[in-house]
Amino acid sequence: ETGVTQTPRHLVMGMTNKKSLKCEQHLGHNAMYWYKQSAKKPLELMFVYSLEERVENNSVPSRFSPECPNSSHLFLHLHTLQPEDSALYLCASSPGTGGNQPQHFGDGTRLSIL
Amino acid sequence: GDSVTQMEGPVTLSEEAFLTINCTYTATGYPSLFWYVQYPGEGLQLLLKATKADDKGSNKGFEATYRKETTSFHLEKGSVQVSDSAVYFCALRDNSGGAQKLVFGQGTRLTINP
Repeated sequence: ETGVTQTPRHLVMGMTNKKSLKCEQHLGHNAMYWYKQSAKKPLELMFVYSLEERVENNSVPSRFSPECPNSSHLFLHLHTLQPEDSALYLCASSPGTGGNQPQHFGDGTRLSIL
Repeated sequence: GDSVTQMEGPVTLSEEAFLTINCTYTATGYPSLFWYVQYPGEGLQLLLKATKADDKGSNKGFEATYRKETTSFHLEKGSVQVSDSAVYFCALRDNSGGAQKLVFGQGTRLTINP
């Protein structure tokens, strides 16, 4: 139990569907992150939120839309995805965004695009 | 930009063998260095970290020393167990101001045979 919970664990969707991934952290952290993990590639940081404000966006396509309503919850809204978007999506949190603070990861959502 | 390079996997060893997974980095500032481990079907977990040169991080029998002169942070364990089978990620986080992101290596898959 890492204190970071992601739902659903698995998601299969068509390219025209709209779905959302959810992340919740119970650690009292102020920063939350979305990562994409594809086979044989390094983890790619998608979004960083600190105190509910987006502070970093690594040029992610607009078909991915994050939402951080409060410091404990983070969503990733998905629409009109492509087959290459199939991957493991990992959520993480940390006390702040300082360099010494490790991130705590959830177990991920395995996304498959048909 | 910052980057992390790990030895290519997969790595297969017998139980009780000595393990080394090499990691080197490039960074413009003075990064903190981390090793994360991902067990099958789970998210990443922090294994150990080091925040400045010559620091040694250790946990669960694993060790890594921050070597600034060789820009390395190699992971070692004296006697591996079957339960150590996982994917290991080396990562850095630059401490120079702003919202610092984790930069990951590509991961090294380790399999330990009984």
